Amino acid sequence: DIQMTQSPSTLSAFVGDRVTITCRASQSISVWLAWYQQRPGKAPNLLIYKASSLENGVPSRFSGSGSGTEFTLTISSLQPDDFATYYCQQYDSYSPTWTFGQGTKVEVK
Amino acid sequence: QITLRESGPTMVKPTQTLTLTCTFSGFSLTTSGVGVGWIRQPPGKALEWLAVIYWDDDQRYSPSLRTRLRVTKDTSKNQVVLIMTDMDPVDTATYYCAHNRDWGYFDYWGQGALVTVSS
Repeated sequence: DIQMTQSPSTLSAFVGDRVTITCRASQSISVWLAWYQQRPGKAPNLLIYKASSLENGVPSRFSGSGSGTEFTLTISSLQPDDFATYYCQQYDSYSPTWTFGQGTKVEVK
Repeated sequence: QITLRESGPTMVKPTQTLTLTCTFSGFSLTTSGVGVGWIRQPPGKALEWLAVIYWDDDQRYSPSLRTRLRVTKDTSKNQVVLIMTDMDPVDTATYYCAHNRDWGYFDYWGQGALVTVSS
C-alpha cells in the first residue's frame, strides 16, 4: 500500500505569510495527488487535483507542484480564511486503493 | 448542482453492523467514470479512505477494513449504501460520502454523519 507523509504536522504563520506544505509518497504516484482544506466541523474542500490543477472557484493564491514522490502545496499570501487543516490524497491508478496524509494544521502565530 | 447527504444511526453498539446511506443528486451513477466514495474521520484525527463504488459496479476497499466493508448502489434511488460489520468503539467517527471524479479524487462531499460506537 502507498503511504503518504505530510510535513509539518502543525505550522504557525501570520496573515500575509507564504506557506508551504509537503507531502511525500512511499512510491511514485506520478501526478495523481489531490489537496484538500478542512475547516473545523466542516467537510473537506478540494483545492488541487492532478498535483497542480486548481479546482474551479479556488483562489489563485493556492498552488500545487511536484511529481513522483514529492509534492508541495503553497499559499502565496495567507488569508484569515486559510487557517485550517490541509490533507493530501494519492489516487494512483496503478494502486487499487487511495490514501490520505495525516494532515497539516495551519494556525495563527 | 451536485449534492450528497449521509443518513443512518447516530449510535451503534459494539459488534453490531452499521448501515449508512448516501443519497445524492446532480449526477447519475450510470454515467461512465462516475463513482461515490466513503471516507471517515475519528474525532480530532485524520481522514481515512474506506471504499468507492463506480458506475460499472467496480468496488475498491481499504485493505485494512476490506473484510468488514461492503458498498452497494441503487441507481433508481440515487443512493449508495455502506455496510460495516463488527463495529468497535475505535470506529467512532464522522462518516462522509463524496463524489469521485477521474477515478481518484473527491470534488463534492456530504456534510458527514457522526456515528458513535458505545454500549
